[in-house]
Amino acid sequence: KAGVTQTPRYLIKTRGQQVTLSCSPISGHRSVSWYQQTPGQGLQFLFEYFSETQRNKGNFPGRFSGRQFSNSRSEMNVSTLELGDSALYLCASSWGGTGENTEAFFGQGTRLTVV
Amino acid sequence: ELKVEQNPLFLSMQEGKNYTIYCNYSTTSDRLYWYRQDPGKSLESLFVLLSNGAVKQEGRLMASLDTKARLSTLHITAAVHDLSATYFCAVDRPYNNDMRFGAGTRLTVKP
Repeated sequence: KAGVTQTPRYLIKTRGQQVTLSCSPISGHRSVSWYQQTPGQGLQFLFEYFSETQRNKGNFPGRFSGRQFSNSRSEMNVSTLELGDSALYLCASSWGGTGENTEAFFGQGTRLTVV
Repeated sequence: ELKVEQNPLFLSMQEGKNYTIYCNYSTTSDRLYWYRQDPGKSLESLFVLLSNGAVKQEGRLMASLDTKARLSTLHITAAVHDLSATYFCAVDRPYNNDMRFGAGTRLTVKP
């Protein structure tokens, strides 16, 4: 079955601009989580969406936002980009409920470079 | 706040040797994950551990979970070069899907 698809794969933006990243989860999965990976801070949780609702949120400023559509696809938006936002942004797809079926699968990521 | 600590952060091994990576976490969690990441690539799911005493094995890798000690281990048996990668552990807060990751262990297996 198809995996998690993130678009675009690479992006170069200028400070002050905004950017939107997209994530299509595995068919049937209702939870999409977003993570930022940098060499200095490692993998950090941004937020999680389940059935179009933000269910969990990490410690990131309000410039980072997201949403989820009825087909479970999710977008992440970063406004007023800063140099420090340069990172690999990963989304993870999972069934989303509690219990056994909790494995999360990651997309290939979007490499964002802010110049 | 849920914190996850891995050690060692860097591990250089000879082929054929055994070693263990440790993952400690700070508060109660009901799910522990191990992932592998190759350079420039995404995260590949290795194991999901859901209960105290859980043990899972895949090839030369075996993961275990002790929820009372808040400790998981990833044991590597008879390492081969193909295992060279960065390994991450992660935990969720109970009833939440918000994985918090350790810093990762960069494993290099030398011939």
